[in-house]
Amino acid sequence: KQEVTQIPAALSVPEGENLVLNCSFTDSAIYNLQWFRQDPGKGLTSLLLIQSSQREQTSGRLNASLDKSSGRSTLYIAASQPGDSATYLCAVTHEKLTFGTGTRLTIIP
Amino acid sequence: EAGVVQSPRYKIIEKKQPVAFWCNPISGHNTLYWYRQNLGQGPELLIRYENEEAVDDSQLPKDRFSAERLKGVDSTLKIQPAELGDSAVYLCASSLDLSSTEAFFGQGTRLTVV
Repeated sequence: KQEVTQIPAALSVPEGENLVLNCSFTDSAIYNLQWFRQDPGKGLTSLLLIQSSQREQTSGRLNASLDKSSGRSTLYIAASQPGDSATYLCAVTHEKLTFGTGTRLTIIP
Repeated sequence: EAGVVQSPRYKIIEKKQPVAFWCNPISGHNTLYWYRQNLGQGPELLIRYENEEAVDDSQLPKDRFSAERLKGVDSTLKIQPAELGDSAVYLCASSLDLSSTEAFFGQGTRLTVV
């Protein structure tokens, strides 16, 4: 059974700093990995999709990496802004999307 | 292009009452998911459709939950009767197919059972 873990559960950093969120998974037989953002009371917004054959994807200030063999992914956020405050979820896809419990990120102005 | 549309956004019902949620996926998306998200947790799959076929409903509590996706387009998730523990956010998502494409989520329906 696939298990996805996200550490830390919560993170607070001052505005302008770079930060890294971590995601690990137990079964490397995945099609892809997706990072999502969730604002309070809202649905999930897709940020980045990394195919299993890829090592990383970039979108603006976001960079996600994937090391399938070790079961790890990271989401790097550069020059953080207060608007980045949200919960970030990773999900791996095989027969379904399996989610971690998320990292609640707070950017301090 | 419209995203995944869910309704209603919020629903408050008394326990033992029935409730239904509706989802319209992105046009052309064959795969449709229903997820349930409890407070502070990640979403958990209830059911996955490939076109009109339910291919994974192993986590759906079939004694009280039912779902349908007629004509392989929009979908309805029903709970009858609702219990207090069903209070959660119900999320619908769609993707072109399962294997390698991006999944898109709706805004969810927040259910409160009192």
